[in-house]
Amino acid sequence: DVKVTQSSRYLVKRTGEKVFLECVQDMDHENMFWYRQDPGLGLRLIYFSYDVKMKEKGDIPEGYSVSREKKERFSLILESASTNQTSMYLCASQQGGSYNEQFFGPGTRLTVL
Amino acid sequence: GENVEQHPSTLSVQEGDSAVIKCTYSDSASNYFPWYKQELGKRPQLIIDIRSNVGEKKDQRIAVTLNKTAKHFSLHITETQPEDSAVYFCAASMRGNEKLTFGTGTRLTIIP
Repeated sequence: DVKVTQSSRYLVKRTGEKVFLECVQDMDHENMFWYRQDPGLGLRLIYFSYDVKMKEKGDIPEGYSVSREKKERFSLILESASTNQTSMYLCASQQGGSYNEQFFGPGTRLTVL
Repeated sequence: GENVEQHPSTLSVQEGDSAVIKCTYSDSASNYFPWYKQELGKRPQLIIDIRSNVGEKKDQRIAVTLNKTAKHFSLHITETQPEDSAVYFCAASMRGNEKLTFGTGTRLTIIP
């Protein structure tokens, strides 16, 4: 059974702080993704990674960066948090190859004050 | 890039009736269309998917249809039950399932 965990369920930070969100998967999946979920906007892809130390921009990468030093761990970094980054952040992992299911973590609700 | 539109944004149906959610996509190169269900407070989970070489796929009470010419696909839920209440997301991708573009979601409420 695939398990994707995220470091925090709820997080409150102040404007300008550097924020780290971590995601860990235990199924040796090659692909990992970071999304943000906002009401009425669905799931929007921020960054994804096909392999260790590899990253690609998604649809809304501005204001974010990522790190993947180990296969099982994918970190999302907000260099200088802003109030418009208040959102639900979802991580997902996926076995490499075509047509494979994405498995989501429980989400981190980030509030930036 | 790909753009996926989803309608309606909210849908209420009587228990036992059918529900239909529709999505359109913009890129004719898209060839994979999954549907994810997100129950309140939980993570999205894949419920059904379809590839572009198939026109329809069924799994018990749910089915998905694809019209490549019109670039739209739909989720059909028959004999709806209270546990079907959730937010449903459609998605599309090219080259398989690496990068998904999601629709904006449909909140389905089943009225007992």
